[in-house]
Amino acid sequence: AQKVTQAQTEISVVEKEDVTLDCVYETRDTTYYLFWYKQPPSGELVFLIRRNSFDEQNEISGRYSWNFQKSTSSFNFTITASQVVDSAVYFCALSEGQGFSFIFGKGTRLLVKP
Amino acid sequence: GAGVSQSPSNKVTEKGKDVELRCDPISGHTALYWYRQSLGQGLEFLIYFQGNSAPDKSGLPSDRFSAERTGGSVSTLTIQRTQQEDSAVYLCASSLTGARTDTQYFGPGTRLTVL
Repeated sequence: AQKVTQAQTEISVVEKEDVTLDCVYETRDTTYYLFWYKQPPSGELVFLIRRNSFDEQNEISGRYSWNFQKSTSSFNFTITASQVVDSAVYFCALSEGQGFSFIFGKGTRLLVKP
Repeated sequence: GAGVSQSPSNKVTEKGKDVELRCDPISGHTALYWYRQSLGQGLEFLIYFQGNSAPDKSGLPSDRFSAERTGGSVSTLTIQRTQQEDSAVYLCASSLTGARTDTQYFGPGTRLTVL
């Protein structure tokens, strides 16, 4: 069973639109971590945020915000007033239990048009 | 300071040949990770090193894949008898201690093409 689901494979918006990238995860562990990474066209993955399972506070960082809801096993990512530079593939990831592995979603390709 | 570097950036090989991919982590980072990114499978975890030991090899897809790390620094991922399905971008990442609260810093990847 897929443990991290990013149902949106590709999203296209016009600059200045708000956009939300969905991430649904599955785990039986009570302690786990969730992550978002950005992969711009250059290819290098860039860490955006980490959230542990005990911290359901939403977070805002500039134009980025994250909504973590354990009740729906979701960790969604919203970009406000999108810009062309936001065009990238965004990955949601889960690290669970005592292991060291990370499980990534398939990614959502975001295209922001001028 | 210098980030994670990987070499070569591109590698084309023939089916059946062995290849070695290299990763230089950020200086002082004790944890090192290898991932594979392919069109069909997305981003897959392969192996994790803490120092020179690999407590988690659970992601290695077959016994043709092996990895080592020496001196707590450079790591080499070796693929023996390459197959076409091994074609992918191989990404390396490092973090300071390996704790899941650490940030992983990724290299630019090695694009492997098996003909």
